[in-house]
Amino acid sequence: EVQLVETGGGLIQPGGSLRLSCAASGFTVSSNYMSWVRQAPGKGLEWVSVIYSGGSTYYADSVKGRFTISRDNSKNTLYLQMNSLRAEDTAVYYCARAMRPSDAFDIWGQGTMVTVSS
Amino acid sequence: DIQLTQSPSFLSASVGDRVTITCRASQGISSYLAWYQQKPGKAPKLLIYAASTLQSGVPSRFSGSGSGTEFTLTISSLQPEDFATYYCQQLNSYPITFGQGTRLEIK
Repeated sequence: EVQLVETGGGLIQPGGSLRLSCAASGFTVSSNYMSWVRQAPGKGLEWVSVIYSGGSTYYADSVKGRFTISRDNSKNTLYLQMNSLRAEDTAVYYCARAMRPSDAFDIWGQGTMVTVSS
Repeated sequence: DIQLTQSPSFLSASVGDRVTITCRASQGISSYLAWYQQKPGKAPKLLIYAASTLQSGVPSRFSGSGSGTEFTLTISSLQPEDFATYYCQQLNSYPITFGQGTRLEIK
């Protein structure tokens, strides 16, 4: 079965760090274009970052310099390293797959909640 | 950044109704537009990609049209399971952006 499962969310203080994981099954992460998308409570969807099959990465301005997207091909897993967290980073974080650079996101994980609060 | 504006933001309709949601882009995006359905507590689900192509497994009552800056999502005959929030998304350029969402509720 093709699926994505996110883990790693939780409660973290402002300024702290957290790493999210997204384990894939049924397809190969490194052959696809993998994104992180977040949704603040009661709000809409916000794209965060993408990693291309070739390794190129792109970020939303709101997280550039603080978040890093990466993958471990041996574990078929996508990551999001989040540093210098702020209250406005509080959201459900989803990982999602696209098969080509301008393709829509056809597979989504169930999401993991990140709460940044003191 | 490309802004996407959906209208209406809220829609009240009845089972069996035909509804249309519009998504306008702040600049031309060719056909690089997708539509998603999201239910409370769930991940978004892809409905339409490339503006008008129905994702596999999605009922044929959903359809999409448009190109350039104006796009529509139409549900031909609302079913109880269609009451949800709908988002458009542009994939023409980074940053990828979403519309603000259209909440579809039962009248």
